[in-house]
This record gives sequence, C-alpha cells and structure tokens, in this order.
Amino acid sequence: SAVISQKPSRDICQRGTSLTIQCQVDSQVTMMFWYRQQPGQSLTLIATANQGSEATYESGFVIDKFPISRPNLTFSTLTVSNMSPEDSSIYLCSGRTSGLTGELFFGEGSRLTVL
Amino acid sequence: GNSVTQMEGPVTLSEEAFLTINCTYTATGYPSLFWYVQYPGEGLQLLLKATKADDKGSNKGFEATYRKETTSFHLEKGSVQVSDSAVYFCALNNNAGNMLTFGGGTRLMVKP
Repeated sequence: SAVISQKPSRDICQRGTSLTIQCQVDSQVTMMFWYRQQPGQSLTLIATANQGSEATYESGFVIDKFPISRPNLTFSTLTVSNMSPEDSSIYLCSGRTSGLTGELFFGEGSRLTVL
Repeated sequence: GNSVTQMEGPVTLSEEAFLTINCTYTATGYPSLFWYVQYPGEGLQLLLKATKADDKGSNKGFEATYRKETTSFHLEKGSVQVSDSAVYFCALNNNAGNMLTFGGGTRLMVKP
C-alpha cells in the first residue's frame, strides 16, 4: 500500500486568494487523482494528475481555477485559485499503485474554509 | 455512464445490532467494487473490495458480496460497535479510466 501525505491539513482563506495543496506519496504510483468533497457530500473527481504534462480535468472543472502539477511519480500539487466561499471543501489526493485491482489510496485531505 | 447508489443515512443503531448498508451500481463491463470508510476528521480508508462476480470481500467483521445479477454490493456486519461510527462509501472502478466512482455515502451512528 501507499501512504499519502497532504498539506496543509486545513486552512482558512480569504475570498479572492489562492492556495496550493501539496501531495506526497511514499512510493511510486502510476496514477494520481484529486477529488473534492463538499460539506456533507460524496467525492467528486476534479482531475487526473499526469506526470510531466497537463492534467486531465473532469466536466465542470477547468485548469484556470484548479491548476495541477505533477513533476514526478510521487508528488503533485493542486491550486485553488481566486477562491470564493463555494470552494470551501475537503480536497483529497489519491493514488493508485501498479499491480492492484483498482483501489485508490487517499491522503487525509485538506479542509479549506473560505471566508 | 457509471453510477453508484447507496441508501441514505444517517443509519442509527445500538451497539451489537446487525448492520446492512445497501449499494447498487450501474456500469459497463465488469467493474471492481469497493467499500471505503471515513472516520470523523479523517480521509478515506479502503475497507474491503471484490473484483468479480460472487467474490466476497471482508475486513474487520464487515462483509460484502459482489452480486452481478442484482448489480449490488451490500455492506453487512453482524454486531456493530461504537467505534464503527463513520461515513461509508461504496465505489466502483471499471478500469477504463482508473478512477473511482463513489456513491453518496451513508453515515452510521452507533449508540452504546
């Protein structure tokens, strides 16, 4: 299994600012994903983080709002840009290692509150 | 497209009661099925999984059987504990995109 660390674990942000969340995996993963969990809701996939190239975004999410980097196999960042209160959510990094049957490992999440 | 439907919560039980959380899915092909658990203030942890029809996943007293004929993967536990209080998510992976599709989550509250 992989251990995924995220930081910050939580933050309170002002409207209009941007925040970058870092995700570090303790071993190489073939795939990395970013999910959003709005208060009391399920998880929604934001994008697949691709190593060395642009992320693949799901419908309703765009690069200008959620720029993602993945410079190597064990590290990724998600930036939430120009934040509004509607962006208050838990953002979760996840990864999949090769040879497993599809399960993902998750970080503990970054809880953002936008005032 | 793929979708997962779970029973709505919260589910409130007394300690040692029997638990069932229903999960049904829609998917193309032959998905793998998962249950994840999210304890308060924490991320998601894989609870159990099943990768083909009639497989039974089990862990920590929880069980779920992959039923292709009814497209279901219901979670069961014979005797719940207060420490089982959490949100449970059913999910599938049809291997096409490698990501997981999640159900809406079911909050379980176990009272002593």
